[in-house]
Amino acid sequence: GAGVSQTPSNKVTEKGKYVELRCDPISGHTALYWYRQSLGQGPEFLIYFQGTGAADDSGLPNDRFFAVRPEGSVSTLKIQRTERGDSAVYLCASSLFSGGTDTQYFGPGTRLTVL
Amino acid sequence: KQEVTQIPAALSVPEGENLVLNCSFTDSAIYNLQWFRQDPGKGLTSLLLIQSSQREQTSGRLNASLDKSSGRSTLYIAASQPGDSATYLCAAETSGSRLTFGEGTQLTVNP
Repeated sequence: GAGVSQTPSNKVTEKGKYVELRCDPISGHTALYWYRQSLGQGPEFLIYFQGTGAADDSGLPNDRFFAVRPEGSVSTLKIQRTERGDSAVYLCASSLFSGGTDTQYFGPGTRLTVL
Repeated sequence: KQEVTQIPAALSVPEGENLVLNCSFTDSAIYNLQWFRQDPGKGLTSLLLIQSSQREQTSGRLNASLDKSSGRSTLYIAASQPGDSATYLCAAETSGSRLTFGEGTQLTVNP
């Protein structure tokens, strides 16, 4: 079956602009995760959804970042007033369930560049 | 706060060599420990998941061990091949299903 997909694969924007990054999880997966990876670093947790609700958003760096998953499937990560420090690869992952027993399957990522 | 460290940061070996990658974590209250592979410009591919109650997992030429009490995991790769060249990341899953990643070990296997 299809894996996790993310669009766009690359996004270049100017400082101060608003961006949306989309994630399509594996069909039937109830849990969805967003991570951010800077060059040479491991991914950093941002937010985790169980169904439609954000179960843990403690990794979001500030209130410019927001994510939704209105129907429990596709998720959108929204970044307002982008800053150059937001430049990174944004990774989405999904798992069948949450709670420590299931592998997280990752998408290819969206590379965000803020000029 | 969980912290994960991987040693070495980079490793270059000749083809056919057996090798060990190390991962350590500070908080032993983990649900599981996962190893991933990342190729340049790509997402992460899951290799092995070791539940907190397990000691090791094997998949083909890969074997991962977990010692929760000492906060350590190792990934053993047997008979390395050039196609194994990639960055290997370990991640500890703690409360809330969040993964805390190390910075990775960049492996190069030379033909």
